[in-house]
Amino acid sequence: KNQVEQSPQSLIILEGKNCTLQCNYTVSPFSNLRWYKQDTGRGPVSLTIMTFSENTKSNGRYTATLDADTKQSSLHITASQLSDSASYICVVIPLTGANNLFFGTGTRLTVIP
Amino acid sequence: KAGVTQTPRYLIKTRGQQVTLSCSPISGHRSVSWYQQTPGQGLQFLFEYFSETQRNKGNFPGRFSGRQFSNSRSEMNVSTLELGDSALYLCASSKGQGVGSYNEQFFGPGTRLTVL
Repeated sequence: KNQVEQSPQSLIILEGKNCTLQCNYTVSPFSNLRWYKQDTGRGPVSLTIMTFSENTKSNGRYTATLDADTKQSSLHITASQLSDSASYICVVIPLTGANNLFFGTGTRLTVIP
Repeated sequence: KAGVTQTPRYLIKTRGQQVTLSCSPISGHRSVSWYQQTPGQGLQFLFEYFSETQRNKGNFPGRFSGRQFSNSRSEMNVSTLELGDSALYLCASSKGQGVGSYNEQFFGPGTRLTVL
């Protein structure tokens, strides 16, 4: 079983709407949790990095939250734009070492006009 | 400031051959990490180099190896290629050791390897 599960697998929203992507993990303890955006045919771009003690981190219209008790993180996108169409990947890095980074399989977001 | 560059961008090889991929990090960055991305397995961590030393390694067979030069440029080598090695190979650079720390990683565009 994957230690990082993302949902939904894919999502279609109208331009201007908000959306929330979920990341559930079982990795524990962990050093930090990261959200990346990956456009088709490009490398991932870092959106947020949160340590285990942080609850929220923002980057423009992107806000990541972390609930260590429920082992859930979410990425909220406000006022979506066409350029937000991409895959969003959650990554959990364990505290014991970086030899086993745990990647989610991503959520494919499509924003339509 | 130039971003992370990877060469070549596309590569076609046949089974049994070997391949070398190159990654030039952002100027001033000393850490380079390599990742494999496939539709079935998603992103997987290969290894990280910092100051010419391998600092972390993922769960890949010994056919996958790498090195880092004094100018922080890095190469990744895959020997005896298998069909399953077809993937997008990404490298990422960061100022300090990137993978297990809080340093932001900057990814290159990747090298698309196809093994026939």
